[in-house]
Amino acid sequence: ETGVTQTPRHLVMGMTNKKSLKCEQHLGHNAMYWYKQSAKKPLELMFVYSLEERVENNSVPSRFSPECPNSSHLFLHLHTLQPEDSALYLCASSQTGRNAEAFFGQGTRLTVV
Amino acid sequence: GENVEQHPSTLSVQEGDSAVIKCTYSDSASNYFPWYKQELGKRPQLIIDIRSNVGEKKDQRIAVTLNKTAKHFSLHITETQPEDSAVYFCAARGGSYIPTFGRGTSLIVHP
Repeated sequence: ETGVTQTPRHLVMGMTNKKSLKCEQHLGHNAMYWYKQSAKKPLELMFVYSLEERVENNSVPSRFSPECPNSSHLFLHLHTLQPEDSALYLCASSQTGRNAEAFFGQGTRLTVV
Repeated sequence: GENVEQHPSTLSVQEGDSAVIKCTYSDSASNYFPWYKQELGKRPQLIIDIRSNVGEKKDQRIAVTLNKTAKHFSLHITETQPEDSAVYFCAARGGSYIPTFGRGTSLIVHP
């Protein structure tokens, strides 16, 4: 166990549903990230939260909405998704030091039907 | 911002052979270069990293080299084993704490 926990591990949802992905880290890190990993594509950074800032990839559709209530918890709220949003969603955390390693969660395998 | 290119996208080797994966980066301010291994169905995990003040680092069968002048770094795996089969990602960190990842290399080691 790396200290970054994601729930649920698997999620199947319809295009009209609303669901949320949860990420929790117990490593004392001060930055948390959401990545999207699709088949045959690179890791796509979606959002970053740190003590100083929120960073957003402008190409991420508004049907994805992040929430970071504190430094240990990160959510990704999903609504009216499309089938092409089916992917593995990975959460990661790190310190904001430039040489700090990023730790990943196990991911949530999302299927949109 | 930083741009990281990774090659090849797929690498197939016979067990016992060596494997080399190469990455280039664009931001001369980058000074931390981690490598992650992602086995099928699992999370990416750090396997080795290198900082800009050294040119090479080894850990058993894996090594990473860094050429700051040319802005490229490479992962070397010797005596490959079937359990080395995975997707490998390079990354670079420059002026920001946020890492930029390469596209990944799918390494297949045939027994």
